[in-house]
Amino acid sequence: DAGVIQSPRHEVTEMGQEVTLRCKPISGHDYLFWYRQTMMRGLELLIYFNNNVPIDDSGMPEDRFSAKMPNASFSTLKIQPSEPRDSAVYFCASSFLGQGFGELFFGEGSRLTVL
Amino acid sequence: GESVGLHLPTLSVQEGDNSIINCAYSNSASDYFIWYKQESGKGPQFIIDIRSNMDKRQGQRVTVLLNKTVKHLSLQIAATQPGDSAVYFCAENKDAGNMLTFGGGTRLMVKP
Repeated sequence: DAGVIQSPRHEVTEMGQEVTLRCKPISGHDYLFWYRQTMMRGLELLIYFNNNVPIDDSGMPEDRFSAKMPNASFSTLKIQPSEPRDSAVYFCASSFLGQGFGELFFGEGSRLTVL
Repeated sequence: GESVGLHLPTLSVQEGDNSIINCAYSNSASDYFIWYKQESGKGPQFIIDIRSNMDKRQGQRVTVLLNKTVKHLSLQIAATQPGDSAVYFCAENKDAGNMLTFGGGTRLMVKP
């Protein structure tokens, strides 16, 4: 398996623009997580899905952020409108929790810079 | 296990020495703990995990120790190599749930 695949790897955009980050989890995994990493706040969980259903989005900072998982092999994280403080590395991770808690497999991340 | 902020604690060791990275976790109900390694420009990578019914677990060159009494987790790396240089995060599943909460991380620097 190729692992968790994220795109784009780097995105530079201007304040006010819409940003869409994409994730393809590992096939067969039933949980998908979106994390944000900054120097100030470290790794923060934004939202996670179980079997394509959002379970906890309490980490989503504002209404400008939204996430979807239309099927088991694809998820998006959208920021609209983007702001400079959204600049961070966004990680997607997936796992199979069918037999109890297990490790998360992370993608390589999407580095977002909002000017 | 709170995020540290701008300045990561740094551990500098000589190549070949053993390294010990410590982590204080926050929730006594957590029952699963993981150590991750993150190299520059990459996503966190699983190293080793431990459940709360154990106090020690060994892998290849790595050992995780769990002290539930003081809510302390440590990662021991034997014969540290330059390739071990990275930021190391501990994580816990708070309230025995399905979400991992990460600590702030420790930067390990290996001197040749």
